[in-house]
This record gives sequence, structure tokens and C-alpha cells, in this order.
Amino acid sequence: AQKITQTQPGMFVQEKEAVTLDCTYDTSDPSYGLFWYKQPSSGEMIFLIYQGSYDQQNATEGRYSLNFQKARKSANLVISASQLGDSAMYFCAVSNFGNEKLTFGTGTRLTIIP
Amino acid sequence: DTAVSQTPKYLVTQMGNDKSIKCEQNLGHDTMYWYKQDSKKFLKIMFSYNNKELIINETVPNRFSPKSPDKAHLNLHINSLELGDSAVYFCASSQDRGMPELFGQGTRLTVV
Repeated sequence: AQKITQTQPGMFVQEKEAVTLDCTYDTSDPSYGLFWYKQPSSGEMIFLIYQGSYDQQNATEGRYSLNFQKARKSANLVISASQLGDSAMYFCAVSNFGNEKLTFGTGTRLTIIP
Repeated sequence: DTAVSQTPKYLVTQMGNDKSIKCEQNLGHDTMYWYKQDSKKFLKIMFSYNNKELIINETVPNRFSPKSPDKAHLNLHINSLELGDSAVYFCASSQDRGMPELFGQGTRLTVV
């Protein structure tokens, strides 16, 4: 079984500040992948960043980075220099390489304030 | 454009009807998925196909039947629609199982 917990239902952040979205996971499989998706108000699901459980370095994609702490089972998303267009729902997800089923958290609604 | 495309984007229908949602990807991906997002934004996998073979079937009512004529297409057919089927349905694909999934734009189904 696998589970994702996102404890922040909503966050308000000032434009240009960095923001950290929390995500903890629980999985019994030693091989897994962690994913972050963004869902703006228009409704589409946009893939942001991926971290494999055996990756030694934290994943980065432009302004997005994943703070992966394996021992704590934590995979927080860090957005640097936030922009108004970052306002959206953000979902963390985990997939065990054994069953390849993507399990999502309940999401965090991020609002960037000008 | 390379993408995962699903049609229609909006679907309003009466209870008891049968409807289909189509999904196509031209990314050459081997694996395709259907997800349901409820009114509280919770996303849950319904089905997964790898090279036209059913891999995951997550306790979805029999009224929902996926069909994959080839690995680029995964359609979702729903019989005898119920009010509780109202949701946004997302199709997705990935190069391989366990790899990042790219999503279609979603189909908002409203059953009245």
C-alpha cells in the first residue's frame, strides 16, 4: 500500500518569495518514484518534477526543486521566486515500481499575492 | 502537436444514458491511464493499460469499461450513468510504467 499526505490545504505567499509545499509519503516498496503536478484553475494537470527513490541528488527543474529526505519519507516541493502564475493546486504523488500505480495526495492550493 | 488529447472536454447527460470519452496520445507511450477527480479535487486511478493490456483495475463499477484498440488510444465507456459519476475524468500516458505521466486536459462529466 502507498499513501501521500499533504498537510497544507491552502497557502498564501507574497510574490517573489520562495515557497515550500510539504509532502510525506508511505510505501512498503524500496523502489518508487515521487511526482509533483500543478493544476491551475483552468483544470489541466501539468507534470512538474520527478524524483526516483535511488536518485542521489535532489531533482531540479527551473524554479522547481524537490527536497527529498528519504529517511523522513519527505518530498517537499520548493518553488523559488514565486510568480502570480504559480497560483494553483499542487499535488504530490507516489508510484511504486512494483505496481506502477500513481497515488495522489489531497493537494495544496497555493495563492500568490501581488 | 504532441500531446494527450481527450474528447469531449465537457459532457452533460441524463441519468441512465451510456456515454464514451475518447483519449489519444501521439507520444509513442506504452502505458495509458484513466483517473477520476471528484468535487473535492481528489484524484484516483481507475484503469491502466500497457500495450493494450489491462494492468490496473481499481474497484471500479462494471458500468465503466475501458477499451484500447491500439496502444495510442484508451477510450472509456460508461453505461447507465448515475449522478455520482459526475466528476472530471483525466486520461494520461507514460513512456513506461512508473515513469512520469502526462495528462490530457480532462473531461468534465455532469450527470443530471
